[in-house]
Amino acid sequence: GAGVSQTPSNKVTEKGKYVELRCDPISGHTALYWYRQSLGQGPEFLIYFQGTGAADDSGLPNDRFFAVRPEGSVSTLKIQRTERGDSAVYLCASSWGGASIDEQFFGPGTRLTVL
Amino acid sequence: DAKTTQPPSMDCAEGRAANLPCNHSTISGNEYVYWYRQIHSQGPQYIIHGLKNNETNEMASLIITEDRKSSTLILPHATLRDTAVYYCIVRGGSGNTPLVFGKGTRLSVIA
Repeated sequence: GAGVSQTPSNKVTEKGKYVELRCDPISGHTALYWYRQSLGQGPEFLIYFQGTGAADDSGLPNDRFFAVRPEGSVSTLKIQRTERGDSAVYLCASSWGGASIDEQFFGPGTRLTVL
Repeated sequence: DAKTTQPPSMDCAEGRAANLPCNHSTISGNEYVYWYRQIHSQGPQYIIHGLKNNETNEMASLIITEDRKSSTLILPHATLRDTAVYYCIVRGGSGNTPLVFGKGTRLSVIA
């Protein structure tokens, strides 16, 4: 079946611009996570949705970062006034959300480069 | 911060067993041990998880010490496609908590 998909796969933007990154989770998964991975590091948690609401946004680095999931399925990560330090691979994961030990399924990521 | 310690890199000959260690000395009673791996340019992939008993699935075996302060992931017959970064993660047993990744172990399987 279809896995988690993310678009675009690559995004190059200029410093100061606004970007949106999209995540399509596995159908029926109620939990959705965003992570960010810098070169040579493990993924770092950003935000977690349970249904439409953000259950934990403690990982968002500052108020330039925002994410939505209006219908409880597709999610969009939005970054305003991008900075060179935002360059990273942004990963999305989803899980069933019904049990406390659900496996998370990851997408391939979006590689963001801020020039 | 990650609650686990792993060696930064390991090599393994193709066809041999790969044994990847992980220390998690501060693990609490309701926390699980998870293993994920990340092949180059892909998202992380779930391998296995356990609480206190040893676990086995089609990909690997997980051996957890009796005091739960360390564990070993075993790939019984490593292939070149198993070359990846392997992450050992301790995760709470209540609620859908995020995964906290460390730097993992870079396993290189050599022909």
